Amino acid sequence: DAGVTQSPTHLIKTRGQHVTLRCSPISGHKSVSWYQQVLGQGPQFIFQYYEKEERGRGNFPDRFSARQFPNYSSELNVNALLLGDSALYLCASSSEKNTEAFFGQGTRLTVV
Amino acid sequence: DQQVKQNSPSLSVQEGRISILNCDYTNSMFDYFLWYKKYPAEGPTFLISISSIKDKNEDGRFTVFLNKSAKHLSLHIVPSQPGDSAVYFCAAKVDYGQNFVFGPGTRLSVLP
Repeated sequence: DAGVTQSPTHLIKTRGQHVTLRCSPISGHKSVSWYQQVLGQGPQFIFQYYEKEERGRGNFPDRFSARQFPNYSSELNVNALLLGDSALYLCASSSEKNTEAFFGQGTRLTVV
Repeated sequence: DQQVKQNSPSLSVQEGRISILNCDYTNSMFDYFLWYKKYPAEGPTFLISISSIKDKNEDGRFTVFLNKSAKHLSLHIVPSQPGDSAVYFCAAKVDYGQNFVFGPGTRLSVLP
């Protein structure tokens, strides 16, 4: 079984641009969460989606948005990129019990 | 306000000895705790978890201990192996919560 897959693995964008990151969860998992990890810190929660509905949102500005599709894959969108958005963006999928989150390899976003 | 703390940024241990990684939390509503291991350029990998109704959970070389009164948990790795060298994150969630709250991580180096 494939694990959580994310694309792209690396991305370089210019300040002010927009970015879309993609995630496919583990087969059978209906919950997808997004986390941001900056160097020296643990992952910070951005969003959780379950059955295409937003279930939770972390302390991130409205420039961050996400959605989940009928096949449970998900996109994270970030508008008006800032230098401080440079980070590793992690997608995690969970089963209905949501007791463990299984992470993808992440997308390394660099904003210049 | 950091709800999950890992006060040791790094730890070095000799191969074959015990590694003890510590984690403290402030939110008494947390009732499920997890440890993740992260190698560079990879996403976090789930290691072991513990529910607040238990005080110990064991899986092979890994044991997690929970002291609810002290709001403290620890991960013991015995015996430590060079392949265990990675960053270890402690994470917690509340029962009804959508997201996991991560600590800043501890870098473990197992020396041959």
